Amino acid sequence: DVVLTQSPLSLPVTLGQPASISCRSNQSLLYSDGNTYLNWFQQRPGQSPRRLIYKVSNRDSGVPDRFSGSGSGTDFTLKISGVEAEDVAVYYCLHGTHWPPVYTFGQGTKLEI
Amino acid sequence: EVQMLESGGGLVQPGGSLRLSCAASGFTFSTYAMSWVRQAPGKGLEWVSSISGSGTNTFYADSVKGRCTISRDNSKSTLYLQLSSLRAEDTAVYFCARIHLVGANYWGQGALVTVSS
Repeated sequence: DVVLTQSPLSLPVTLGQPASISCRSNQSLLYSDGNTYLNWFQQRPGQSPRRLIYKVSNRDSGVPDRFSGSGSGTDFTLKISGVEAEDVAVYYCLHGTHWPPVYTFGQGTKLEI
Repeated sequence: EVQMLESGGGLVQPGGSLRLSCAASGFTFSTYAMSWVRQAPGKGLEWVSSISGSGTNTFYADSVKGRCTISRDNSKSTLYLQLSSLRAEDTAVYFCARIHLVGANYWGQGALVTVSS
């Protein structure tokens, strides 16, 4: 089974400064179709999760370009180039496959100002 | 506009049962696999179960296997989760979600299930 380990679990940051979250898998996430289905989600306090990044590095519509994703194989990173107040949230990495539709979340990283 | 609205949450005693519903609109419901994801108070997200678009295939996390049944009624665009033999550790907000690895994702607002005597 895929296990995703995020670090750090808590990330104090200063407004305007960059932030970086790591997500490591216990096995390669490269799928047989050549894609790597590693997503990043943001969950603001009291809200439902919202996807930011799909397939490692593709930003969802409406996601500010200060968010970027990178990585391959077993190591992935979500970066925020300059943290804004609205970025206070818990961030999760997610892995899944098209079939079967089963999913694994990382433990979450709480970003706080 | 896509909307997903969960209902059926509440307080249930240990060992009891509960059925959650998720009414979806704004997309062709039968085309998509659907999932339930839960979040215990102050904890992270945990995938619980998924069902194929036709309803033929179902998948469960080990933590709920044997105690949980996912189903759907495509004529009503509604997803269900039947929870039974509930334990305190099943206390969580349960989200209905259309998780797509590439396409758009949609999540409901969540339904709180509290297992307590």
